[in-house]
Formats: sequence, C-alpha cells, structure tokens
Amino acid sequence: AQSVTQLGSHVSVSEGALVLLRCNYSSSVPPYLFWYVQYPNQGLQLLLKYTSAATLVKGINGFEAEFKKSETSFHLTKPSAHMSDAAEYFCAVTLGGKLTFGTGTRLTIIP
Amino acid sequence: EPEVTQTPSHQVTQMGQEVILRCVPISNHLYFYWYRQILGQKVEFLVSFYNNEISEKSEIFDDQFSVERPDGSNFTLKIRSTKLEDSAMYFCASSGDRDTPYEQYFGPGTRLTVT
Repeated sequence: AQSVTQLGSHVSVSEGALVLLRCNYSSSVPPYLFWYVQYPNQGLQLLLKYTSAATLVKGINGFEAEFKKSETSFHLTKPSAHMSDAAEYFCAVTLGGKLTFGTGTRLTIIP
Repeated sequence: EPEVTQTPSHQVTQMGQEVILRCVPISNHLYFYWYRQILGQKVEFLVSFYNNEISEKSEIFDDQFSVERPDGSNFTLKIRSTKLEDSAMYFCASSGDRDTPYEQYFGPGTRLTVT
C-alpha cells in the first residue's frame, strides 16, 4: 500500500521568503514521488519528480525537493516566494501505476 | 509540447442521465488514467487502462462507470446513470513513453455538474 501525508493544509509566506511544503510518504517498497501544482480552475501541472536517481530534485519555477529515505519525506522548497506561486500543491506517490495524492497544501503569498 | 486534452470543459447533466467525458492522451503514451476531484477535496484515482483493458480500478469505479479507447486516440469515461455525488472535476492522464515511463501528464479537466 502507498500513501502520502501533507502537513499543513494552508501555508502563508511573505513574498521573497522561503517556501517549505511538507510531504511524508508510506510505501512498502521504494516509491516514485511527485509534486504537482494546481492553479485556480486549472488542471494539475507536474512540478518535479523523484524516480530513484538523484535525491535532490530540481523542478520548474525554481522549486526543488529532497528525497530522504530515513525520514520518509519529500518536502518541497523554494528559496524565494513569488506572487505567482500562489496555488494548491499536491504531493503524490506511485509504485508504477496509479498515483495516490495527498490532501494538498494551499500556498498563499503575502505581498 | 504534447499535451493531454479533454472535452468538454464543463458538462451539466440531470441526475439519471448518461454522460461521456472525452480525452485525447499524448500520442506515444501507453497508459491512461481517470481521476476525479470533488470540490475542496483531494484528487482520487478511478481507473487505469493499458493494452485495451482495465489494469486497475478503485472502489469508486463501480458498474456505473466504464472506459473505452474507441479509435486509438480518444479515451472516454462513461457514467451510465449520474448521481448528485458524481459532481466533480474529472481529470484524464497519460504516461508511459520510453524516457518518462512513470510521469503522468494531466489534462485540464472536465467539470461535471449533476443537478
């Protein structure tokens, strides 16, 4: 079985501040992990992925995530938040088939 | 850049009616999926499809639902007799090219409203 837990349904950061969105996973075997972003009234856009290569993964829009097996975590970070980062972010896990999503974190950027 | 497309973007139907949601996956992908997102909730897996048959389905995907790849390009989700609780955003996704076998790319979604 596979699952992800996203801590914090809402996160607010000031423009220019560090963004940290948390994701912990549970899986019986090494998983593939993803972060997706959903802008209002739009679909899901792939931000970045971990597929058992480098543990520090860089994605689009300046986001990155680090896979930490010892902590079963895959937290998403961005050094400096921009107003355009305001969206809902979903962590997802797969063992090669269906994606299992977390409950999402709504990121608000304070001007 | 190749993308997944979905039609219609918004479908309003009366309870008990049949609806068909359409998707055109990325052309060289081999795996196809439907997910749904009820307003304010997380994205839930419905069904996956490979080699012209269902490879996995969730508890949500009961006898009221069916999927089909009628012509080698389209991928459809049919709901035979819609219920109020079927109101949701339905996303199609595809994956499985040689370079990125596990990356699923999502369409923009169809918002289904059952009245």
